Amino acid sequence: QSVLTQPPSVSEAPGQRVTISCTGSGSNIGAGYDVHWYQHLPGTAPKLLIYDNTNRPSGVPDRFSGSKSGTSASLAITGLQAEDEADYYCQSYDSSLSAWVFGGGTKLTV
Amino acid sequence: QVQLQESGPGLVKPSETLSLTCAVSGYSISSGYLWGWIRQPPGKGLEWIVSIYYSGSTNYNPSLQSRVSMSLDTSRNQFSLTVRSVTATDTAVYYCVRLESSGYFAYWGQGTLVIVSS
Repeated sequence: QSVLTQPPSVSEAPGQRVTISCTGSGSNIGAGYDVHWYQHLPGTAPKLLIYDNTNRPSGVPDRFSGSKSGTSASLAITGLQAEDEADYYCQSYDSSLSAWVFGGGTKLTV
Repeated sequence: QVQLQESGPGLVKPSETLSLTCAVSGYSISSGYLWGWIRQPPGKGLEWIVSIYYSGSTNYNPSLQSRVSMSLDTSRNQFSLTVRSVTATDTAVYYCVRLESSGYFAYWGQGTLVIVSS
């Protein structure tokens, strides 16, 4: 059971918009710790997609955006493309565990 | 460009010790940042294992702390992971990472699969 909760899977048609939620608690997201998002394609290393809740690293398309409110965060992807099919993970820090924690991951099907 | 590369045996026997090394290029590990390890068991999600500050201060995942250790070798610009008394549940792809100051993993190695089996 992951400390951060994500839906196991989401599905949407090409060109559409999808959001992936990440729900935490008062000892992680709700405590003010930043949320970060990663895209993971099979056989490759996870790729940083969003850092510090809303920021995109250089090279990440602006189709990807992040938000955070209260004890939750969301990743939005617009203009879905077939290449966006991947697993997506949220990540933060948990003060009660003194550990960096991940969500269980969400498999996106386009 | 910062690059990380894991190395180590791909097969470890149950009850033995798993040892991996991460070679870093493009940045001196003694200059700053936290360095660490993350793993992904087959069909499961990502799990942070341990991180070490360039000064040597270490943070452990509480669920693994009793069996894990990590060290820096600044002369070779690499760091290592040791997991003792492994079982099948330690079978995973192990990634070495650099942790940025605000708590995200910006750089990842390509990952190395370690299978625990007799």
